[in-house]
Amino acid sequence: GESVGLHLPTLSVQEGDNSIINCAYSNSASDYFIWYKQESGKGPQFIIDIRSNMDKRQGQRVTVLLNKTVKHLSLQIAATQPGDSAVYFCAGAPGYSSASKIIFGSGTRLSIRP
Amino acid sequence: EPEVTQTPSHQVTQMGQEVILRCVPISNHLYFYWYRQILGQKVEFLVSFYNNEISEKSEIFDDQFSVERPDGSNFTLKIRSTKLEDSAMYFCASSASTGPTETQYFGPGTRLLVL
Repeated sequence: GESVGLHLPTLSVQEGDNSIINCAYSNSASDYFIWYKQESGKGPQFIIDIRSNMDKRQGQRVTVLLNKTVKHLSLQIAATQPGDSAVYFCAGAPGYSSASKIIFGSGTRLSIRP
Repeated sequence: EPEVTQTPSHQVTQMGQEVILRCVPISNHLYFYWYRQILGQKVEFLVSFYNNEISEKSEIFDDQFSVERPDGSNFTLKIRSTKLEDSAMYFCASSASTGPTETQYFGPGTRLLVL
């Protein structure tokens, strides 16, 4: 079956360090991957996305890397700040249709040490 | 910045009662979704909706669930006879029909507690 986002459940990093959150997926049919951030009591917030025909995409302080050979996705956060504390989900969608469902992983809780 | 909004933020109901969860998607979006998140678990897809009909639904979305777009702005999820296991956060999302991405933007959620 479809499986996206086999995460480590927690990650603790020092403030100012770079964070790397990893995700594995098993569904080769996923064409589109997204990273969401969820703060306590809030809805998932879009961070960055990447299509399957790309292997890297950069945003503001964040970079997503996609390795289709080993079905691995990572989110890199540069110079981690206290406001980055949240649960991070990688998610996949099977196609380019805007009506596609998103399959979420179980998430990684990122904690920032002062 | 446009946002998806949801009401109520919290809903407590008795088992067997009907609940309606409301969402106002981003105004120029045409694709709408409901997801739920049981406490401590992953976010799960329930249903997608386009052009006044369901595009796709999950196994969770059984006959007790229905969705509706009653007017030009609201998108609702109705649970006809709530069960204890329906207790969860329910998130509405919307996405644009055109453009370079199919990003789904999520609302803040409605926390439903069934007693």
